[in-house]
Amino acid sequence: QITLKESGPTLVKPTQTLTLTCTFSGFSLSTSGVGVGWIRQPPGKALEWLALIYWDDDKRYSPSLKSRLTITKDTSKNQVVLTMTNMDPVDTATYYCAHGTSFDYWGQGTLVTVSS
Amino acid sequence: QSALTQPASVSGSPGQSITISCTGTSSDVGSYNLVSWYQQHPGKAPKLMIYEGSKRPSGVSNRFSGSKSGNTASLTISGLQAEDEADYYCCSYAGSSLWVFGGGTKLTVL
Repeated sequence: QITLKESGPTLVKPTQTLTLTCTFSGFSLSTSGVGVGWIRQPPGKALEWLALIYWDDDKRYSPSLKSRLTITKDTSKNQVVLTMTNMDPVDTATYYCAHGTSFDYWGQGTLVTVSS
Repeated sequence: QSALTQPASVSGSPGQSITISCTGTSSDVGSYNLVSWYQQHPGKAPKLMIYEGSKRPSGVSNRFSGSKSGNTASLTISGLQAEDEADYYCCSYAGSSLWVFGGGTKLTVL
């Protein structure tokens, strides 16, 4: 059974760096073909793909946010970490992590509010 | 990499069929058979309904089907039920291991 859960701060100030952790179970990120992605959703708005990391440590980023994002993995801890620098109120959103390239399993999401 | 285009809303009566379109470009939807569809109820995480254009995950009703023609993918829901009322999002591979979502469609069951 695959499960994922996001964790991190619920409130960050403008210009700060956001660090989110996705802790998962039921699969290994050392298995060929496996990936974990991050997707966000501002309140009342659409989903937006942010980043994806593969089993071989290949990393991909949304072109519009690439300069601000870093995705890493800790295979021994079954975790994927996303950092986003220079946070702005427009980055207020629910952040989800999801399994695979079809995003077949999702975490419950974590709402991050950017406000001073 | 621009968001895929979906109608803002669609509606249908119970028992009817509806189709939601998802229009991209020759760089994403048109080039790959890697469109997925997600159902999202209010306050919930998205749920995968269709992947690789037309495949249904285990447990998803066969009332849901996917197809593609050119740069446009479509999700059809037949035998509409009240529980189908939700937001629906498409997502396509856009090459170079990049992904793009649609703007979402609100389905109302009348």
